[in-house]
Formats: sequence, structure tokens, C-alpha cells
Amino acid sequence: QAHLVQSGGEVKKPGASVKVSCKASDYTFSTYGVTWVRQAPGQGLEWMGMISVYNGNTSYAQKFQGRVTMTTDTSTSTVYMELTSLRFDDTAVYFCARVNLLNVFDCWGQGTLVTVSS
Amino acid sequence: DIQMTQSPSSLSASVGDRVTITCRASHAISNSLAWYAQRPGKAPKLLLFGASRLDSGVPTRFSGSTSGTDYTLIINSLQPEDIATYYCQQSHGSPPTFGQGTKVEI
Repeated sequence: QAHLVQSGGEVKKPGASVKVSCKASDYTFSTYGVTWVRQAPGQGLEWMGMISVYNGNTSYAQKFQGRVTMTTDTSTSTVYMELTSLRFDDTAVYFCARVNLLNVFDCWGQGTLVTVSS
Repeated sequence: DIQMTQSPSSLSASVGDRVTITCRASHAISNSLAWYAQRPGKAPKLLLFGASRLDSGVPTRFSGSTSGTDYTLIINSLQPEDIATYYCQQSHGSPPTFGQGTKVEI
């Protein structure tokens, strides 16, 4: 059974950057994409973007264009999501999820709370 | 972007009840529709994909149906462990989009 394990919670000041990791195990890493979804406190799910582990191609939500970067390290089966110029409303739980060939998010990480506070 | 309008936003039901949750897509999405359940404080979990295909290990009391651009999640015989917020998500167009969620309480 596939597993995704994310890095721990972060507290950042406005204007700073955060980089969250998502380590995959128990499946062929290069066969699937990885997507990032965030959830503000008490709110719904918001898609941020995704990366093809196979070729590194990325697709970002328009809202995050210019502020988000997703990368992979195939040597450690890890995907990273960096968000820059943090604002108070970036406070949220950030989830990574595996994307299968049907573009379904079939395995999720446990989530990483990013708090933006002065 | 394809908008997914989910209803109701919340519901309360009794153990053993049949529960239905609906998502309406703003455009045709050709059954490219998944349902997720998110228990409090946990990550979402895939229930169904392709509108009606059960993911591995998901109890058979969960099912999905389609009528035009309306997609319905059905929980037959609601169980206490089904307390969660349920989300639909379309993967037909880019970006993928979620419904607003339905909180199910007992």
C-alpha cells in the first residue's frame, strides 16, 4: 500500500517562504504524479498544482502562479512544494496526494500545517 | 474553470439511514468525478472514482450515480464511522475543482 509522509508544521512571518516535503514509499515513484491541495481553517479543499514525477512537468493553479514551485528528487522519492511571499491567508494545512492515470487523487499525505503569523 | 456545486452543505441523519449528497457540474464532465471523505483532523480519503467505481477497501454501502451533470453519492445504512465531510472533485477539465463539501453528522 502506498504511503506519503509530509514534513512537520511550520510557522513563518509574512513575506517569508516555506518549503514542504512529501516522501513517497511502497510504490513505483515515477509512475504517478503528485498534486498539492490546501485547506484553510474551517474551509474546503483548494487545488494548488501538480507535478509529473516522470518528466518534471508542472501545472499550477492560476491563483498561485509566480509564487509556487513544485520539484522532485527521484533519488529520495520526495516531492517538494515551495510557496513564497507568504501572506496571513496562506495559513492552511497543505496536503500532497498521489495522482493516478485517471487524474484521481488516490493516496494522501497526512498534511502539514503552515501558520503565517507576525 | 468547471464549477462544482455541492448540496446540502450539511446534514444530520440517524444510524441506518440512507444519505444522498449531490454535486452539479457547470459543464459536462463525462463521469470524471471522484468522491472523498475527510474525517475531522485527517486527510481526505478516496471513496469512488469514475462517478461510480468503488476504491479498494471502501465499504459497499457507498455508491455513486449520474444523471446528466448531476452526480450523487449514496450512503446506504449510515454508520457512526461515516461522520465526515464529503467532497466531490472533477478531473475532466483543468484545473481540477472540488465541491464545497457536505458535513455529515449523526
